[in-house]
Amino acid sequence: GAVVSQHPSWVICKSGTSVKIECRSLDFQATTMFWYRQFPKQSLMLMATSNEGSKATYEQGVEKDKFLINHASLTLSTLTVTSAHPEDSSFYICSARGGLAGVWRSDEQFFGPGTRLTVL
Amino acid sequence: AQSVTQLGSHVSVSEGALVLLRCNYSSSVPPYLFWYVQYPNQGLQLLLKYTSAATLVKGINGFEAEFKKSETSFHLTKPSAHMSDAAEYFCAVSPGYSSASKIIFGSGTRLSIRP
Repeated sequence: GAVVSQHPSWVICKSGTSVKIECRSLDFQATTMFWYRQFPKQSLMLMATSNEGSKATYEQGVEKDKFLINHASLTLSTLTVTSAHPEDSSFYICSARGGLAGVWRSDEQFFGPGTRLTVL
Repeated sequence: AQSVTQLGSHVSVSEGALVLLRCNYSSSVPPYLFWYVQYPNQGLQLLLKYTSAATLVKGINGFEAEFKKSETSFHLTKPSAHMSDAAEYFCAVSPGYSSASKIIFGSGTRLSIRP
Protein backbone atom coordinates (compact mmCIF):
# COMPACT_ATOMS: atom_id res chain seq x y z
CA GLY A 1 0.00 0.00 0.00
CA ALA A 2 0.82 3.72 -0.18
CA VAL A 3 2.40 3.66 -3.62
CA VAL A 4 3.17 6.85 -5.49
CA SER A 5 4.03 6.82 -9.17
CA GLN A 6 5.44 9.48 -11.45
CA HIS A 7 5.24 9.76 -15.19
CA PRO A 8 7.36 10.05 -17.15
CA SER A 9 10.42 8.66 -15.38
CA TRP A 10 12.63 10.70 -17.65
CA VAL A 11 12.10 13.31 -20.32
CA ILE A 12 14.33 15.22 -22.71
CA CYS A 13 13.00 18.37 -24.30
CA LYS A 14 14.13 21.36 -26.27
CA SER A 15 14.63 24.74 -24.67
CA GLY A 16 11.44 26.81 -24.72
CA THR A 17 9.01 23.91 -24.62
CA SER A 18 6.73 22.96 -21.73
CA VAL A 19 6.87 19.67 -19.92
CA LYS A 20 4.19 18.10 -17.74
CA ILE A 21 5.03 15.63 -14.98
CA GLU A 22 2.33 13.56 -13.31
CA CYS A 23 2.29 12.32 -9.75
CA ARG A 24 -0.29 9.71 -8.79
CA SER A 25 -1.20 8.02 -5.54
CA LEU A 26 -2.13 4.54 -6.69
CA ASP A 27 -3.85 3.04 -3.69
CA PHE A 28 -4.76 5.91 -1.40
CA GLN A 29 -6.20 9.38 -1.48
CA ALA A 30 -3.58 12.08 -1.38
CA THR A 31 -5.01 15.11 0.35
CA THR A 32 -1.64 16.84 0.16
CA MET A 33 1.10 16.51 -2.41
CA PHE A 34 4.57 18.00 -2.38
CA TRP A 35 6.93 18.75 -5.24
CA TYR A 36 10.70 18.74 -4.77
CA ARG A 37 13.63 19.26 -7.08
CA GLN A 38 17.02 17.72 -6.60
CA PHE A 39 20.18 18.80 -8.39
CA PRO A 40 22.98 16.26 -8.86
CA LYS A 41 24.63 15.26 -5.61
CA GLN A 42 22.43 17.68 -3.67
CA SER A 43 19.52 17.45 -1.32
CA LEU A 44 15.83 17.78 -2.02
CA MET A 45 14.46 21.29 -2.08
CA LEU A 46 10.75 21.74 -1.53
CA MET A 47 9.18 23.69 -4.38
CA ALA A 48 5.53 23.74 -3.44
CA THR A 49 2.77 22.13 -1.43
CA SER A 50 -0.62 21.46 -2.93
CA ASN A 51 -3.88 20.45 -1.33
CA GLU A 52 -6.57 18.85 -3.43
CA GLY A 53 -8.84 21.46 -4.91
CA SER A 54 -6.77 24.40 -3.72
CA LYS A 55 -4.04 26.54 -5.19
CA ALA A 56 -0.52 25.38 -4.49
CA THR A 57 1.63 27.14 -1.92
CA TYR A 58 5.05 27.88 -3.35
CA GLU A 59 8.29 28.17 -1.44
CA GLN A 60 10.21 31.41 -1.53
CA GLY A 61 12.16 31.82 -4.73
CA VAL A 62 10.07 29.38 -6.77
CA GLU A 63 8.38 31.02 -9.75
CA LYS A 64 4.67 30.26 -9.76
CA ASP A 65 4.25 31.07 -13.43
CA LYS A 66 7.10 28.83 -14.44
CA PHE A 67 6.22 25.81 -12.34
CA LEU A 68 2.48 25.30 -12.65
CA ILE A 69 1.01 22.87 -10.17
CA ASN A 70 -2.44 21.38 -10.40
CA HIS A 71 -4.00 19.05 -7.84
CA ALA A 72 -7.43 18.53 -9.31
CA SER A 73 -8.17 15.14 -7.78
CA LEU A 74 -7.28 13.15 -4.70
CA THR A 75 -5.01 10.88 -6.70
CA LEU A 76 -3.31 13.17 -9.20
CA SER A 77 -1.11 16.21 -9.13
CA THR A 78 0.74 17.63 -12.10
CA LEU A 79 3.78 19.86 -12.37
CA THR A 80 4.21 21.73 -15.63
CA VAL A 81 7.55 23.34 -16.32
CA THR A 82 6.73 26.11 -18.75
CA SER A 83 9.23 27.42 -21.30
CA ALA A 84 11.87 25.10 -19.95
CA HIS A 85 15.52 26.10 -20.09
CA PRO A 86 18.71 24.11 -19.47
CA GLU A 87 18.92 25.42 -15.91
CA ASP A 88 15.60 23.69 -15.21
CA SER A 89 17.25 20.33 -15.82
CA SER A 90 16.90 18.44 -12.58
CA PHE A 91 15.40 15.45 -10.82
CA TYR A 92 11.83 16.24 -9.79
CA ILE A 93 10.31 14.19 -6.98
CA CYS A 94 6.78 14.28 -5.66
CA SER A 95 5.43 12.98 -2.41
CA ALA A 96 1.92 12.42 -1.20
CA ARG A 97 0.23 12.34 2.15
CA GLY A 98 -3.26 11.09 2.98
CA GLY A 99 -4.99 7.78 3.46
CA LEU A 100 -7.91 5.59 2.57
CA ALA A 101 -11.24 6.83 3.88
CA GLY A 102 -12.49 4.68 6.70
CA VAL A 103 -9.44 2.43 6.59
CA TRP A 104 -6.28 4.32 7.43
CA ARG A 105 -4.75 7.74 7.48
CA SER A 106 -1.13 8.73 7.89
CA ASP A 107 0.80 11.98 8.01
CA GLU A 108 3.81 10.26 6.53
CA GLN A 109 4.95 11.48 3.13
CA PHE A 110 5.21 8.71 0.53
CA PHE A 111 7.65 9.52 -2.24
CA GLY A 112 7.43 8.87 -5.94
CA PRO A 113 10.37 7.46 -7.91
CA GLY A 114 11.23 10.81 -9.46
CA THR A 115 11.36 12.27 -12.98
CA ARG A 116 14.63 13.26 -14.57
CA LEU A 117 14.20 16.31 -16.80
CA THR A 118 16.90 17.24 -19.27
CA VAL A 119 16.46 20.44 -21.25
CA LEU A 120 18.68 20.78 -24.30
CA ALA B 1 13.67 27.99 11.83
CA GLN B 2 14.62 24.37 11.59
CA SER B 3 17.60 22.77 9.92
CA VAL B 4 19.68 19.63 9.88
CA THR B 5 23.39 19.24 9.30
CA GLN B 6 24.83 16.00 8.07
CA LEU B 7 28.49 15.63 8.84
CA GLY B 8 30.37 14.00 6.01
CA SER B 9 29.08 14.02 2.45
CA HIS B 10 30.64 10.61 1.84
CA VAL B 11 31.22 7.72 4.22
CA SER B 12 32.95 4.50 3.20
CA VAL B 13 32.99 1.37 5.36
CA SER B 14 33.92 -2.24 4.82
CA GLU B 15 31.26 -4.89 4.49
CA GLY B 16 30.41 -6.13 7.96
CA ALA B 17 31.68 -3.00 9.69
CA LEU B 18 29.69 -0.55 11.76
CA VAL B 19 27.83 2.15 9.88
CA LEU B 20 27.57 5.57 11.54
CA LEU B 21 25.99 8.49 9.72
CA ARG B 22 25.90 11.72 11.66
CA CYS B 23 23.07 14.22 11.84
CA ASN B 24 22.65 17.27 14.05
CA TYR B 25 19.49 19.31 14.12
CA SER B 26 18.44 22.80 15.03
CA SER B 27 14.88 23.44 16.09
CA SER B 28 13.04 25.98 18.18
CA VAL B 29 10.29 23.48 18.95
CA PRO B 30 10.43 19.78 19.79
CA PRO B 31 11.38 18.26 16.47
CA TYR B 32 10.24 15.26 14.57
CA LEU B 33 13.24 13.66 12.88
CA PHE B 34 13.56 11.28 9.98
CA TRP B 35 16.13 9.27 8.07
CA TYR B 36 15.47 8.49 4.43
CA VAL B 37 17.42 6.38 1.96
CA GLN B 38 17.64 7.04 -1.77
CA TYR B 39 18.97 4.53 -4.26
CA PRO B 40 20.26 5.85 -7.61
CA ASN B 41 17.58 7.45 -9.77
CA GLN B 42 14.86 6.56 -7.31
CA GLY B 43 12.68 8.39 -4.84
CA LEU B 44 13.07 8.34 -1.09
CA GLN B 45 12.21 5.56 1.28
CA LEU B 46 11.61 6.18 4.97
CA LEU B 47 14.08 4.28 7.15
CA LEU B 48 12.85 5.45 10.51
CA LYS B 49 11.31 8.39 12.33
CA TYR B 50 11.41 9.94 15.78
CA THR B 51 8.15 11.48 16.94
CA SER B 52 8.78 12.17 20.64
CA ALA B 53 8.23 8.62 21.84
CA ALA B 54 11.21 6.33 22.55
CA THR B 55 14.57 8.02 22.01
CA LEU B 56 16.04 4.90 20.40
CA VAL B 57 14.25 4.29 17.16
CA LYS B 58 14.52 1.10 15.18
CA GLY B 59 13.94 1.18 11.46
CA ILE B 60 13.99 -1.08 8.47
CA ASN B 61 16.99 -3.00 7.14
CA GLY B 62 18.63 -3.18 10.57
CA PHE B 63 19.13 0.57 10.97
CA GLU B 64 18.47 2.48 14.14
CA ALA B 65 18.94 6.01 15.40
CA GLU B 66 19.09 7.62 18.81
CA PHE B 67 17.62 11.00 19.62
CA LYS B 68 19.92 12.90 21.99
CA LYS B 69 18.43 16.21 22.99
CA SER B 70 21.51 17.32 24.94
CA GLU B 71 23.65 16.87 21.84
CA THR B 72 20.93 17.87 19.33
CA SER B 73 21.86 14.76 17.43
CA PHE B 74 20.06 11.96 15.63
CA HIS B 75 22.82 9.73 14.29
CA LEU B 76 22.00 6.68 12.18
CA THR B 77 23.73 3.38 12.89
CA LYS B 78 23.81 -0.19 11.68
CA PRO B 79 25.98 -2.82 13.38
CA SER B 80 27.08 -4.63 10.24
CA ALA B 81 27.12 -3.08 6.78
CA HIS B 82 25.86 -4.97 3.76
CA MET B 83 26.68 -4.27 0.15
CA SER B 84 23.03 -3.45 -0.47
CA ASP B 85 23.26 -0.55 2.00
CA ALA B 86 25.22 1.52 -0.52
CA ALA B 87 22.98 4.53 -1.19
CA GLU B 88 22.39 8.17 -0.35
CA TYR B 89 21.01 8.86 3.13
CA PHE B 90 19.14 11.98 4.14
CA CYS B 91 18.39 13.22 7.61
CA ALA B 92 15.32 15.41 7.84
CA VAL B 93 13.45 17.49 10.40
CA SER B 94 9.89 18.67 10.75
CA PRO B 95 8.30 20.98 13.33
CA GLY B 96 5.50 18.52 13.81
CA TYR B 97 4.02 15.34 12.44
CA SER B 98 0.88 16.74 10.98
CA SER B 99 -0.62 17.45 7.63
CA ALA B 100 0.62 21.03 7.86
CA SER B 101 4.24 20.17 8.50
CA LYS B 102 6.98 20.53 5.93
CA ILE B 103 10.05 18.36 5.94
CA ILE B 104 13.46 20.01 5.73
CA PHE B 105 16.18 17.74 4.36
CA GLY B 106 19.88 17.69 5.12
CA SER B 107 22.46 17.72 2.37
CA GLY B 108 22.79 13.95 2.32
CA THR B 109 25.55 11.43 2.97
CA ARG B 110 26.62 8.94 0.35
CA LEU B 111 27.41 5.58 1.91
CA SER B 112 29.83 3.29 0.06
CA ILE B 113 30.51 -0.28 1.09
CA ARG B 114 33.91 -1.84 0.41
CA PRO B 115 33.98 -5.61 -0.22
